[in-house]
Amino acid sequence: AQSVTQLGSHVSVSEGALVLLRCNYSSSVPPYLFWYVQYPNQGLQLLLKYTSAATLVKGINGFEAEFKKSETSFHLTKPSAHMSDAAEYFCAVTHQAGTALIFGKGTTLSVSS
Amino acid sequence: DTAVSQTPKYLVTQMGNDKSIKCEQNLGHDTMYWYKQDSKKFLKIMFSYNNKELIINETVPNRFSPKSPDKAHLNLHINSLELGDSAVYFCASSQDVGDADTQYFGPGTRLTVL
Repeated sequence: AQSVTQLGSHVSVSEGALVLLRCNYSSSVPPYLFWYVQYPNQGLQLLLKYTSAATLVKGINGFEAEFKKSETSFHLTKPSAHMSDAAEYFCAVTHQAGTALIFGKGTTLSVSS
Repeated sequence: DTAVSQTPKYLVTQMGNDKSIKCEQNLGHDTMYWYKQDSKKFLKIMFSYNNKELIINETVPNRFSPKSPDKAHLNLHINSLELGDSAVYFCASSQDVGDADTQYFGPGTRLTVL
């Protein structure tokens, strides 16, 4: 069975500060890992994904994530937060194409000026 | 030219009623999904269809019945609505070719059962 744990249900940063959202996964097979963002009252938008190619994955809006098999982690980072980054962030895992995503419980990112 | 669209966006109804939510994707994808997001924002798979065939049917009450008339549409019909059905329902689709397994989500349907 696969699972995802997002550490910290709420993260607050100042504008311009580093953003770090943590995600640990559990999977008995090589995983596909995703980060999605959800703005208020909207659907989910893909930020980036890991599919067994490069372990450092760059996504949209300046976000990136690094797959670390030894730590079973896929943490999301952004060097400098913008006010527009305030949203709900979800880490998700699956094990093959066409199967359901298993989501973490989400992390709310707040950005203050 | 929305990729994955859902109607309606908001649905307010009384307990016991029957309602449907429609989903359409214009991406030419093979697989479509329904996810439920509860009040704590937790997302969980309900169903998935591949080329009109049911692939995943999680532990969902049989009051929920998905229907896929063609590859581009996946509708969700709910009978005898209950208070606990209040949630946001998301439709998604994916193309399942090699690594191109990104699931694209619709805007969601917020269902409120009174």
